[in-house]
Amino acid sequence: AQSVAQPEDQVNVAEGNPLTVKCTYSVSGNPYLFWYVQYPNRGLQFLLKYITGDNLVKGSYGFEAEFNKSQTSFHLKKPSALVSDSALYFCAVRDQAGANNLFFGTGTRLTVIP
Amino acid sequence: EAGVAQSPRYKIIEKRQSVAFWCNPISGHATLYWYQQILGQGPKLLIQFQNNGVVDDSQLPKDRFSAERLKGVDSTLKIQPAKLEDSAVYLCASSLLAGGPGSYEQYFGPGTRLTVT
Repeated sequence: AQSVAQPEDQVNVAEGNPLTVKCTYSVSGNPYLFWYVQYPNRGLQFLLKYITGDNLVKGSYGFEAEFNKSQTSFHLKKPSALVSDSALYFCAVRDQAGANNLFFGTGTRLTVIP
Repeated sequence: EAGVAQSPRYKIIEKRQSVAFWCNPISGHATLYWYQQILGQGPKLLIQFQNNGVVDDSQLPKDRFSAERLKGVDSTLKIQPAKLEDSAVYLCASSLLAGGPGSYEQYFGPGTRLTVT
C-alpha cells in the first residue's frame, strides 16, 4: 500500500529565511513523488515532481525538493521564503505500477512571517 | 491554455437531498479524476476516467455517489442522498493519457465546496 506522511501540520518561518516542508513516503516499488500547493479557495497547483534521475528537483516559484531513497523522504525546500509563499502544501506519491492515482499527505500549512 | 473548470463553486443542501457537480477538463486531457477533500485532510481519489471509461472507482461510495463522463470530455459527479459527512470540497483534475511520461502531472480545478446541513 502507498502512503505519504507530512509530520508537521504547521511550519512558521521568517521572510528571507530558508524553509523546509517535510515529507516521507511508503510505496512497494520505485516512487513517483509530487508537491502541490493550495491557496485559499483555489485548487491545487503543481510545484514539482521526481520521476527518476537527479535527486535534487527544481520546480516552480524557486522551490526545490530532495529525493532521499534511503530515508524515503522528499522534503520541499526554498532558500529564501516570501510572504506570498504562505499556503497549504501537499506531498503526493504514486507507484510506477499504479493507474496514475495520487495518494496525498494531510498537508502542511506554511506561514511566512514578515 | 484554459484550466480545469468546475461549477458550482459553492453549494449548500440539506441532508437527504441530491446534488450534482460539473467538470470540464483541459482540452486534450484524456484522463479525468474526482477527489474529495475533507477539511484538514489531503484529497482522496473517488473515481478516475480514461476517455469515457472508468479506470478506478474503488473508493467511490456507490450506494450514494455516481459519476459519468459521456463523450470522454465533461464529467458530472452526483450525490444522492447526501449525508452530513459528505461536506467537503470536491476537486476535479485532469491529465494527459495515463501511462506516458507527460501524464504524471494532474491539473486541478478550483473545486466545489459542499456543505450538507
